Amino acid sequence: GENVEQHPSTLSVQEGDSAVIKCTYSDSASNYFPWYKQELGKGPQLIIDIRSNVGEKKDQRIAVTLNKTAKHFSLHITETQPEDSAVYFCAASAAEGAQKLVFGQGTRLTINP
Amino acid sequence: ETGVTQTPRHLVMGMTNKKSLKCEQHLGHNAMYWYKQSAKKPLELMFVYNFKEQTENNSVPSRFSPECPNSSHLFLHLHTLQPEDSALYLCASSQATGGYEQYFGPGTRLTVT
Repeated sequence: GENVEQHPSTLSVQEGDSAVIKCTYSDSASNYFPWYKQELGKGPQLIIDIRSNVGEKKDQRIAVTLNKTAKHFSLHITETQPEDSAVYFCAASAAEGAQKLVFGQGTRLTINP
Repeated sequence: ETGVTQTPRHLVMGMTNKKSLKCEQHLGHNAMYWYKQSAKKPLELMFVYNFKEQTENNSVPSRFSPECPNSSHLFLHLHTLQPEDSALYLCASSQATGGYEQYFGPGTRLTVT
C-alpha cells in the first residue's frame, strides 16, 4: 500500500521568510496530493492540492510542486506570517475520487515574529 | 468553519461504557469518512461511506461500529474500548463522484479511562 514520508517534523522560521515542507510517496499510481493545515483545537483544513497531470500550482503565498519521477512533492509558503503557525499534513491517494488518503506524519511550523 | 460539525467535542468514557460520536455535514456531499488521529501517528482512515453504503473498512476493530443513516449524518458507536483508543476522531465529507476534496470537522477528543 501507499506510504507517505514527511519532513521535517518541526520547522521554525522568521516572519517574512519562506518555509518548505517535503513529502515522498511510494505508490507510483498515486494521482492526488492535498496539503492540510491544522490549528490547535481544529480539524485539518485543505489549503492547496495538486493532481498528477500538473507540476506546480500556486495560490497567493502558497505553492505546491510535484515531481512524479522522483515521487515527491513539496509545499512552499512565502512571506510567512504568524498566522501560518500550525501543523501541516501532506497526503496522497491513488484511489478513484481520492477517497483513500494516506497522510504524512505532519510538520509543526512556527513563525517567529 | 468548514460545514462539518461533530458532537461531542470532548468525551471521557470507561472501558465498559457505550457511547456514540455524531457527525453532520451541511455541504451537500454524499461521501463521509471517519479518521483517527493519535499523538505521534499520522491520520488513519477508518471507514468510508458513499451514498450511505460502507465502501471501506480499514481493518478497524469491531468495538468501533459506524452507522450512516443518510448522506448528511454519520455516527461512530463505541463499546468496550481500550485506553489505546484514546485519540482525536475526525469526520470528513466529500463528493462521492467527480470530487476529490475532503472537508474535515473539528473532531471529538476521546479519552478512555
